[in-house]
Amino acid sequence: SQQGEEDPQALSIQEGENATMNCSYKTSINNLQWYRQNSGRGLVHLILIRSNEREKHSGRLRVTLDTSKKSSSLLITASRAADTASYFCATAVDTGRRALTFGSGTRLQVQP
Amino acid sequence: KAGVTQTPRYLIKTRGQQVTLSCFPISGHRSVSWYQQTPGQGLQFLFEYFSETQRNKGNFPGRFSGRQFSNSRSEMNVSTLELGDSALYLCASSLTRYNEQYFGPGTRLTVT
Repeated sequence: SQQGEEDPQALSIQEGENATMNCSYKTSINNLQWYRQNSGRGLVHLILIRSNEREKHSGRLRVTLDTSKKSSSLLITASRAADTASYFCATAVDTGRRALTFGSGTRLQVQP
Repeated sequence: KAGVTQTPRYLIKTRGQQVTLSCFPISGHRSVSWYQQTPGQGLQFLFEYFSETQRNKGNFPGRFSGRQFSNSRSEMNVSTLELGDSALYLCASSLTRYNEQYFGPGTRLTVT
């Protein structure tokens, strides 16, 4: 079963614009991770935010976490054509379980 | 450091056959997890191995099994293949059970 639901399912923007993707989940979590996947290939780990953190930055990425609303957002600033990919959020329920529960993903298309 | 590798990358099998997929984790990583990705069900957790022991198992039938060797390499086996087993099988490794998971490129299995 998928815990995370992502919104929107698909997003098309122009190069240079910002892209925001949202993720909602159902149960309490230990951490939430964002991954990128290019065209049916492996997943690339982008960022991990723990349940006691509210915001995290990594380069052009900004992730927020609101545990009271059970939601997270991923912001990609100044997008590039190379950012075109599917983006998934994944939640880890507790540190003892490695199973990540993935959302359905957002397909981002960045037009050059 | 070399990333996670998986072999083979592509595989075509016939219904009723069995298949073995291999995962070579990042050097020093001791935890290996397996995931199945299909268009209908998305990314779903199969199982996790740490120190040659299965630690967690997802909601998959007993036809799906795996193991981990002393060098942390892992294999997963699917017996009596069904058409619905056609998927991208991803493995992920992490340093311990509590770190970020790094994914391999996946093995695309097609069952005809």
